[in-house]
Amino acid sequence: QKEVEQNSGPLSVPEGAIASLNCTYSDRGSQSFFWYRQYSGKSPELIMFIYSNGDKEDGRFTAQLNKASQYVSLLIRDSQPSDSATYLCAVNWGDYKLSFGAGTTVTVRA
Amino acid sequence: DGGITQSPKYLFRKEGQNVTLSCEQNLNHDAMYWYRQDPGQGLRLIYYSQIVNDFQKGDIAEGYSVSREKKESFPLTVTSAQKNPTAFYLCASSIRGGAMDEQFFGPGTRLTVL
Repeated sequence: QKEVEQNSGPLSVPEGAIASLNCTYSDRGSQSFFWYRQYSGKSPELIMFIYSNGDKEDGRFTAQLNKASQYVSLLIRDSQPSDSATYLCAVNWGDYKLSFGAGTTVTVRA
Repeated sequence: DGGITQSPKYLFRKEGQNVTLSCEQNLNHDAMYWYRQDPGQGLRLIYYSQIVNDFQKGDIAEGYSVSREKKESFPLTVTSAQKNPTAFYLCASSIRGGAMDEQFFGPGTRLTVL
């Protein structure tokens, strides 16, 4: 059974701080990794994707991938109240399907 | 204005009824997907289609059926065999369904069984 695990929330951070989200996956053959943001009652929207070991930065967001440890993370720098949402980690196993974690809810307090 | 549309936004079903959820995309994407999301949980794959007239079961296909007669349309039928259908249903599409392809999501349909 291929599994995607995310650190349990909710995660509460003060405005301006760094929010750190973690995700582990069970299959070493996984090819690509996606972070989606989902506001309450809305559909997911892509924040970042990564497929090579190391860091990938896009604005205030940084994704980090360590395939040896089967670990992918998302850092949100200078957190804003608008970042308050549930963040979903998704893994593509190479068979055209995504498997999603349960999500981590982030609350940024002003 | 390209995107994915789902209808209806809210749907109420009586027990024993079949209902069909609509999903249309004008992104010219080959691959389309249906997911189910329950409160506090991630998305679970119901069915997916990589090309017209072909589709495969996902992880939780029992009690659901789909068709893919046109590239832009991928309707989902929730049958009476689905014992706990109350959930948020999301349709998605991607260019080719490849490992590096982003999946774009529609706004979702919230189904409630009365």
